[in-house]
Amino acid sequence: AQTVTQSQPEMSVQEAETVTLSCTYDTSENNYYLFWYKQPPSRQMILVIRQEAYKQQNATENRFSVNFQKAAKSFSLKISDSQLGDTAMYFCAFMRSGGGADGLTFGKGTHLIIQP
Amino acid sequence: DVKVTQSSRYLVKRTGEKVFLECVQDMDHENMFWYRQDPGLGLRLIYFSYDVKMKEKGDIPEGYSVSREKKERFSLILESASTNQTSMYLCASSPRGGVVLNTIYFGEGSWLTVV
Repeated sequence: AQTVTQSQPEMSVQEAETVTLSCTYDTSENNYYLFWYKQPPSRQMILVIRQEAYKQQNATENRFSVNFQKAAKSFSLKISDSQLGDTAMYFCAFMRSGGGADGLTFGKGTHLIIQP
Repeated sequence: DVKVTQSSRYLVKRTGEKVFLECVQDMDHENMFWYRQDPGLGLRLIYFSYDVKMKEKGDIPEGYSVSREKKERFSLILESASTNQTSMYLCASSPRGGVVLNTIYFGEGSWLTVV
C-alpha cells in the first residue's frame, strides 16, 4: 500500500512571495504518477501539476513547479509570485501506473493562505 | 470538457435513513470512484469501479455500498445513515490506461449531514 505525507497542515505567506509545499510518499512501485491538486473554497478539485516517475525532468506549469526526488520519495510544490487566488487546500496524491483503476492516494492536505 | 455531476450538493438526513448519492460522468470513462473528505484526514477512498457492475472496496468501505448498473453512473449508498457519516463526499472518474490519460476528474462534492 502507498502512503502520502504532507507535514504542513497550514502555511501563510505574503502575496508575491514564493512558497514551497512539502510532500513525501512511500511505495514499493517503480512506475507511478504524482499529482498536486488545489481545492479552493468552492471545493472543486483542480489539477495543478502532474509528474511521471520515469521522467527525471521536473514538471512545470506557469508559476507552479515541482521538485521531484525519486530516491528520497519527495515531491514538493513551489508556487512563485503567489497570488490571492492561490489561497486553497493543496493535496499531494499518488497513483500507481497501469490504468489508475484503483484511484489516487491522497495526503491530508496543506491549507495555504496568501495574505494581501 | 469532462463533466462529473453529483446530483445533490447538500443533504440533511436522519439517523437510520437510507441515503443515495448519485454521480454521473459524460466522458465514457471506465473508472469511477467515491471519496470521503474530512478535515485533517484528506480524501479517503470508499469504493471504486473499473467497469459496469464491477466494484472494489477502497480504504474505508464499512457502512457503505455502491451500485454501477450503467457505465456513466456510480451510486453510493448508505444503508442506515449514522452521524459519523456526516462528511463531504466526492465522486471522480478517469479513463482506463495510457500515460497521458492517467488523470482523475472530480465532481463538486456532496455535503451530507446526518442528524
